[in-house]
Amino acid sequence: DADVTQTPRNRITKTGKRIMLECSQTKGHDRMYWYRQDPGLGLRLIYYSFDVKDINKGEISDGYSVSRQAQAKFSLSLESAIPNQTALYFCATSPLTGTGNRNEQFFGPGTRLTVL
Amino acid sequence: KNEVEQSPQNLTAQEGEFITINCSYSVGISALHWLQQHPGGGIVSLFMLSSGKKKHGRLIATINIQEKHSSLHITASHPRDSAVYICAVFQGGSEKLVFGKGTKLTVNP
Repeated sequence: DADVTQTPRNRITKTGKRIMLECSQTKGHDRMYWYRQDPGLGLRLIYYSFDVKDINKGEISDGYSVSRQAQAKFSLSLESAIPNQTALYFCATSPLTGTGNRNEQFFGPGTRLTVL
Repeated sequence: KNEVEQSPQNLTAQEGEFITINCSYSVGISALHWLQQHPGGGIVSLFMLSSGKKKHGRLIATINIQEKHSSLHITASHPRDSAVYICAVFQGGSEKLVFGKGTKLTVNP
């Protein structure tokens, strides 16, 4: 089973609709991230969370919100989707304590979102 | 100018060739991350390094902190190595990654 899962994997929606992308992890990591990837651009950070009570904006947070429901779950919402939010979205996790490199990030499979 | 620059942007090789992908960065970093993105879109961590050299199978990553440069080498390349290779850095004490735009590698049989 995958350690970091994302649902849905693909979504087509219309302008103005509210969309939620969900991320779950079984790695026991404290830190979770949401990125978007656009053709010709590197991955860009939308929001990140270092624990359940901690939410931080990334470089492109406008138009997005997040919720950290539990250590294992981190959701990204688009309150009113617009076409330029069409992109590939990735969730990632990283450990803070215990074994393993504290900085290494582990990515989910991605969600391809199309806003018409 | 991007803080993380990769070269080349695109690379085509024949099976068996030795591959080098370069990453240069303009900021002080605490660690550098090499990632592989498969044609289907999934991203896999290859290496984290902050000094020296690491090797895993046919993959070798090196970093020169003074020159702000890292290289990813693939020996005896194979078509299954075809992917986008992404370099990312942690700036100083930041816990956030800054990503390069990636190098698309195609290995032909």
